[in-house]
Amino acid sequence: GEDVEQSLFLSVREGDSSVINCTYTDSSSTYLYWYKQEPGAGLQLLTYIFSNMDMKQDQRLTVLLNKKDKHLSLRIADTQTGDSAIYFCAETSGGSYIPTFGRGTSLIVHP
Amino acid sequence: GAVVSQHPSWVICKSGTSVKIECRSLDFQATTMFWYRQFPKQSLMLMATSNEGSKATYEQGVEKDKFLINHASLTLSTLTVTSAHPEDSSFYICSALRTSGYEQYFGPGTRLTVT
Repeated sequence: GEDVEQSLFLSVREGDSSVINCTYTDSSSTYLYWYKQEPGAGLQLLTYIFSNMDMKQDQRLTVLLNKKDKHLSLRIADTQTGDSAIYFCAETSGGSYIPTFGRGTSLIVHP
Repeated sequence: GAVVSQHPSWVICKSGTSVKIECRSLDFQATTMFWYRQFPKQSLMLMATSNEGSKATYEQGVEKDKFLINHASLTLSTLTVTSAHPEDSSFYICSALRTSGYEQYFGPGTRLTVT
């Protein structure tokens, strides 16, 4: 079946940029999402990108999509301690509204 | 806008009892809601898709008689864990799909502990 892979951990220094990577296998993906989950909380939709786009920028967040390599990344500029959370990559395809989630990348921001 | 609430946020119950979790879309209508289960350090596992006014669609391996879902209105879906056992302890998250859109909005989750 379809698969979404992410590295499990990323540690960065406060003020640096963070780049969280994700790969997926479904070539018919239509939307790709990034969600943030803080401890003990639900998922917050951060941003999403349609599959015919290469890049999307929203304030400190930049999403890059390489559809040929099925690679999605989320860059967080000027990372702050409040950005520490688990970030989930997800994709939908074939008209389905049900995303397939990766296992999440735990971002740790240290002073 | 697009706020989804869950109630309760956490619950502790004894083995053998039933627990009801509510999921509400506060400022939009949701024809479809989803129920997920999340184990520690794991991703979300879709349990079922709940459609307003019809029976829920359960994912393979999810017991429909154990996890009862009711979606009686466009803003409310409930998940009842019947005859709960310690292995049902988990974080349950709902999401709601806006009737006029394609984005899912997630609730804050309910932590269930069965003793």
